[in-house]
Formats: sequence, structure tokens, C-alpha cells
Amino acid sequence: GAVVSQHPSWVICKSGTSVKIECRSLDFQATTMFWYRQFPKQSLMLMATSNEGSKATYEQGVEKDKFLINHASLTLSTLTVTSAHPEDSSFYICSARQQRTNTEAFFGQGTRLTVV
Amino acid sequence: GNSVTQMEGPVTLSEEAFLTINCTYTATGYPSLFWYVQYPGEGLQLLLKATKADDKGSNKGFEATYRKETTSFHLEKGSVQVSDSAVYFCGQSGGSNYKLTFGKGTLLTVNP
Repeated sequence: GAVVSQHPSWVICKSGTSVKIECRSLDFQATTMFWYRQFPKQSLMLMATSNEGSKATYEQGVEKDKFLINHASLTLSTLTVTSAHPEDSSFYICSARQQRTNTEAFFGQGTRLTVV
Repeated sequence: GNSVTQMEGPVTLSEEAFLTINCTYTATGYPSLFWYVQYPGEGLQLLLKATKADDKGSNKGFEATYRKETTSFHLEKGSVQVSDSAVYFCGQSGGSNYKLTFGKGTLLTVNP
């Protein structure tokens, strides 16, 4: 149980275009989802926390107009990178949690975004 | 705010060696603590967790004890295997919105 599916696993896009990444909880309802960006040498940065039906809470320094997060249902959250640039190239990972408490979260397999 | 500091590594060990990866945290309130493992090209998998002081999490030979007095959650394994080679993340969940945040990760390489 507790499977989180992230799609696509990799994507290449042209500079200036937008890219949408999906994160689905397959066998549970995800009250809370997290989006992370992983930098080289493995550092994992929390970008935003989204609770179903509410606006996402972004971490300091993360541009909410550039990284649009939608969590409209209990099984799906999306991250849209708008007007992507090469510096947005990174590994993006989502995770989902069933309850809005300090329980563990389950992670998707990540999306490698390359902007050319 | 809440934060996690872990030994950055990289750590290189021979098979059957003893492993310790240090992790300390700062938090308001009483966070839950986690260790996650990431294999190459994959997302994170939960390795073990502890939700209150003095709890010991354990899985696959790995252990960590929630020490409130030292605000630590060090990961240990008595005898590592080549298959344990991965990046290990110490994390905590707490604070506003029950955010789940991590240390910078520790790359472990185990040689035969």
C-alpha cells in the first residue's frame, strides 16, 4: 500500500514553455502533498506544502507564480513550471500524506526536468 | 524554525562495517523524526521513524533512537551490505502545516 505515482519520470522542454508534473496517490487519500526540488549533491529543498482544497503554502524564496501547485482532489496534485528556463532544470519529487499530522509521507519516483 | 542537520559525508565503508550517520534537529514542540533512503534515480523510501522521545525506530537492521535531551536521531547499522549503498536523509515533521523537511542527505557507499 501507500503508493505515490509521479508522471512523467523525465521531460525535456524548450526554454519559455510550461511543463506540468502530476503526483497521484494510488491507494490512499492524500490530505497533504509536498513538492521538493533536489539539487546536485542530493540536497532536497521543500518548495511548498499543499492541503487538499486549499492554496499551497510556499517556502521562502520559491516563486509561486513560476511554480504553480494545484491540489484539487484527494488523489492528485500538479506542479506546473511556467516559462521554464535552463536554471529550472532539476529533479522534482512529490510526496503525499494521508493525514494532516506528523505522520510519514510517501514519495513519488521523481521527475527529471531538463530545459533546453 | 524547524531544521535538520546531518553528517554530509560521503561515507565509504567496507562490507560488514559498522555504520553511524549523525542527525540532530531543532524544533518547536514535538516533531516526528524519520530516516528515508534514496536509491539512484528514484524517490525516497521510508526506512524508519519515531514519533516521541525515547522511541526506537528499526527496519532492515537499521536503528535510530529519538533522543530529546540531545535533539538527535542518529542512524546505526551493525553490519552494512553493498546493497545499502544509497543516500540517506534524516527528516522531521512538525511546526506549522506539519512540514516535512530534511537534512542535506548522506551518500553511503559500501564496497565489497
